[in-house]
Amino acid sequence: QSVLTQSPSASGTPGQRVTISCSGGISNIGTKTVNWYQQLPGTAPKLLIYTNNQRPSGVPDRFSGSKSGTSASLVISGLQSDDEADYYCATWDDRLNGPVFGGGTKLTVL
Amino acid sequence: QVQLLQSAPGLVKPSQTLSVTCVISGDSVSSNSAAWNWIRQSPSRGLEWLGRTYYRSKWYNDYAVSMKGRMTINPDTSKNQFSLQLNSVTPEDTAVYYCARSGNGGVLVVWGQGTLVTVSS
Repeated sequence: QSVLTQSPSASGTPGQRVTISCSGGISNIGTKTVNWYQQLPGTAPKLLIYTNNQRPSGVPDRFSGSKSGTSASLVISGLQSDDEADYYCATWDDRLNGPVFGGGTKLTVL
Repeated sequence: QVQLLQSAPGLVKPSQTLSVTCVISGDSVSSNSAAWNWIRQSPSRGLEWLGRTYYRSKWYNDYAVSMKGRMTINPDTSKNQFSLQLNSVTPEDTAVYYCARSGNGGVLVVWGQGTLVTVSS
């Protein structure tokens, strides 16, 4: 059972906007910044968003993140077929003294 | 550009020791601004952070509570790599093991390609 909670699946059609949510607690999201990772089939996770809403170089601005209280969200605008992947939220947990992850959300582009 | 190259997949028998190595290029395992992490992924446990090693005038290791006593991370400055050793493995330790570099704040910025380790007799 993952420390952070995500819906197992999400879907959308090309061009649509999709939101993926992540919830945690005071010891993690409530007091720490959130990062998001994209994992394409058969590959390692790739950093997509860091420090709640920052994009690494090369990540399109169609991807955006936000945090409020003990929850965080990843928004993908202008959905493309290449966006079909698993998305994980992650943050530091003070109780566990290490990074913790959500269970992942599998995004399907219909 | 930092790249991490992991050792090949393997099969380990129950009760034996699992070992995976991560070779660093484009950075130094002794960097004062990086930490070198191990994470694993399995269908039953999802993504699970296992531990890290880092150098800040001396070497430090942090381990997940679930791994303490069974896991060791060793940096090797002569080969610019770090390794994971997990003792007394069971089939529950079957997973893809990833190494990753984090900076300040613990963001896992660069990941290795992953190493599938299967624990089976």
